[in-house]
Amino acid sequence: EADIYQTPRYLVIGTGKKITLECSQTMGHDKMYWYQQDPGMELHLIHYSYGVNSTEKGDLSSESTVSRIRTEHFPLTLESARPSHTSQYLCASSEFGGGSDTQYFGPGTRLTVL
Amino acid sequence: GQQVMQIPQYQHVQEGEDFTTYCNSSTTLSNIQWYKQRPGGHPVFLIQLVKSGEVKKQKRLTFQFGEAKKNSSLHITATQTTDVGTYFCAVNSGGSNYKLTFGKGTLLTVNP
Repeated sequence: EADIYQTPRYLVIGTGKKITLECSQTMGHDKMYWYQQDPGMELHLIHYSYGVNSTEKGDLSSESTVSRIRTEHFPLTLESARPSHTSQYLCASSEFGGGSDTQYFGPGTRLTVL
Repeated sequence: GQQVMQIPQYQHVQEGEDFTTYCNSSTTLSNIQWYKQRPGGHPVFLIQLVKSGEVKKQKRLTFQFGEAKKNSSLHITATQTTDVGTYFCAVNSGGSNYKLTFGKGTLLTVNP
């Protein structure tokens, strides 16, 4: 089992609040990712990072922002939460290397914005 | 970026029946990965296929990569209730080795 953690696991919050979803991995992986997934639906990449101080936007536009100050930590922030942000957010990491890399997923944060 | 079509979207079987899900691409793939997500859980890596015509087995699961490297399949023999979940294929996207584009997934339900 991969060592990647997400907190909180569940979050219910009111509109307009600022939130930060935490993601940490202890595997020393250079690459980290954030996906958004609605129940029973596909995974959409919203942010990724190749390493410290590297962040890129993913394929799905998102109002969230990310930072990568430490290798093991890749938090996602929403400055002003809205009901449209209600979803599951999955963090993943993979090793730097040639070819496709296996992605290890955290347990996810289920966000509900009222 | 790279896209894959995954079919079927849903499949309901009786326990003991076989199940197959397919991923198809219009372009040649360098490789393809398969993941399983249990209900309420997170995706878990199953396997990666790299070579043309490659076939890999994991107990009752058989994974195939097409000769032209444009399609792949996952076949489960004699399904069990523990096989329930969504099966995703994933391919490299945007010319990068590090970003994956996931198929829409196939939700498998098994009637005991």
